[in-house]
Amino acid sequence: NAGVTQTPKFQVLKTGQSMTLQCAQDMNHEYMSWYRQDPGMGLRLIHYSVGAGITDQGEVPNGYNVSRSTTEDFPLRLLSAAPSQTSVYFCASSPGPGRYEQYFGPGTRLTVT
Amino acid sequence: LAKTTQPISMDSYEGQEVNITCSHNNIATNDYITWYQQFPSQGPRFIIQGYKTKVTNEVASLFIPADRKSSTLSLPRVSLSDTAVYYCLEMSTNAGKSTFGDGTTLTVKP
Repeated sequence: NAGVTQTPKFQVLKTGQSMTLQCAQDMNHEYMSWYRQDPGMGLRLIHYSVGAGITDQGEVPNGYNVSRSTTEDFPLRLLSAAPSQTSVYFCASSPGPGRYEQYFGPGTRLTVT
Repeated sequence: LAKTTQPISMDSYEGQEVNITCSHNNIATNDYITWYQQFPSQGPRFIIQGYKTKVTNEVASLFIPADRKSSTLSLPRVSLSDTAVYYCLEMSTNAGKSTFGDGTTLTVKP
């Protein structure tokens, strides 16, 4: 099992560019989530999904889109990058109802100039 | 999304037991409490979860009193490698969403 994988590990964007952060898990988990972590801060929930085809907004969804066409993949799309989106992005998955432990990927460090 | 409250930082020495408290005054009936550990430049790692009373696993214990408005993570005999940020969060049973607080930075000294 690779667990939760994220690509790329590092990315630099210019303001206004768009890109997609990839996240995949091979544990057949129902739930997946995206978080961002700014320097010295805790994680903030961007979007989450409780199953294929089902997504919902978290605490800080503006500027981001998600889709969940398969159980394994949960890509995060930045529509028009802004310097305020400079952060480390973590994807996580958890088994589903009755199981609350989340498994986190290694993160993507994004810089927007 | 309810946010928990923890002390910003704690210091300890190797071999001591460390107790980190977390306040969650408005926890929903169906929510569980989970704790995570995070090292620099890594994603958080799940430590333990609980609903009420005491839960123990191979690395930690979690005590949640009857009113469930707080919880305490207990790390027995810490070592230098336990220096990390510890997060307490409420996990909803009805969705895959959760809210991280600001975490407690634990520094273990020799």
